[in-house]
This record gives sequence, C-alpha cells and structure tokens, in this order.
Amino acid sequence: QQQVKQSPQSLIVQKGGISIINCAYENTAFDYFPWYQQFPGKGPALLIAIRPDVSEKKEGRFTISFNKSAKQFSLHIMDSQPGDSATYFCAASMKFGNEKLTFGTGTRLTIIP
Amino acid sequence: KAGVTQTPRYLIKTRGQQVTLSCSPISGHRSVSWYQQTPGQGLQFLFEYFSETQRNKGNFPGRFSGRQFSNSRSEMNVSTLELGDSALYLCASSLRGAGYEQYFGPGTRLTVT
Repeated sequence: QQQVKQSPQSLIVQKGGISIINCAYENTAFDYFPWYQQFPGKGPALLIAIRPDVSEKKEGRFTISFNKSAKQFSLHIMDSQPGDSATYFCAASMKFGNEKLTFGTGTRLTIIP
Repeated sequence: KAGVTQTPRYLIKTRGQQVTLSCSPISGHRSVSWYQQTPGQGLQFLFEYFSETQRNKGNFPGRFSGRQFSNSRSEMNVSTLELGDSALYLCASSLRGAGYEQYFGPGTRLTVT
C-alpha cells in the first residue's frame, strides 16, 4: 500500500513538445506529492509539488495535474528543451505519521532537437 | 542560503569495514532524512531525524544507523559493509519533515569492494 507506480520508464520527446510522466498511488493517507529532477552525478532537485486540495499546479513550464478519485498525478513539461533531459521522480508522503518520501521508479527523459 | 552539503563525496571501502557519512542541512532546517539510491532498488528511505530524535526508520538492517547533533548536522554509519551496500547515499533537509519540502544534497557515492 506504500507503493508509487511511475510510467513510462523512459521517454523521448522532440524539442518544443510536451513531456508527460504519470504516477499512481494506493495509500489514501498520502497528502503531499512532489516531483524531483535528477541530473547524472547530482542529488534530486525539488521541481514542483502539490497537495490533494487542488487539481492542478503550474510553475513556469511545469504543471502537476492531480486526480484524487483515480489516485493519480502527472507531470507535464511544456515546450520541452534539451536542458530538461534528466531523470524525473514522483514521490508521495504524509504530513503526519509515517513521514517519509516514497518514490516512484523514475523516468529517463530525453529531449531531441 | 547554502544548500545541503554532504561529505565525503566519494568513498571506497572494503567488505567488513565500517563507514560514517556526514550531512549538513540548510540553515534553520531541523529535519534530516537519509535515502539510499541504487539502480536496482531506486530511492529508498533509511531514517529521519528531527531535533536530534529519530522519528522514522525504513526497512534496513541494524547495520545502518544514524544520529543528529544539536546543530542539526547528521551522520549515518554503516557497519560490517557488504558489497550490496554500494550506492549513492543522499541526505535531505526540511524545515518541518518529509511531509513538506525536502531538499537533497549531492550525495556520497559509496563503493564497497
């Protein structure tokens, strides 16, 4: 019940296109859903996060869409750029109780010119 | 503000030895979490400390331990190293805990031979 399932495992998108990564969770006690971006040799960097009281959050070219009833959330990267090529992780945690980030398995995104 | 720092960045140890990794959180952050990242298992939670107290622990053997000091700096220790302990060990700091924004350091790459 603690799992977060992430898809696809890898994604190739043309420059200027929209990159979409999906995650699904089972534990309804999760109430914080961040996305992290990781470049080779670096630690994960917090990109954007959402709580279940909103269905969408946008920061620049990055948007999280959240569907509470389906227990799914997704990351959309608009106008994808070669510099966006990285591994993206979704995660989930709870404010109270078992406070830890449970991560998805990651998506390797490659933006081609 | 300076980010999360981890030392050392790279470490090579032999099976059976022990190792201590260090993490300095962002100034003012009282929560420090540790994660292990491997290609096979992904990002897995080790433990979290808040104001010198361990609040949560992941499913790792007792060879993995940690502590937090009064200045919020944290150390993790792995005793009797095994080949399978080779991984990137990441430290994350947060103002309030894993249910809120967590910021990762660059990690310590541990290789066990």
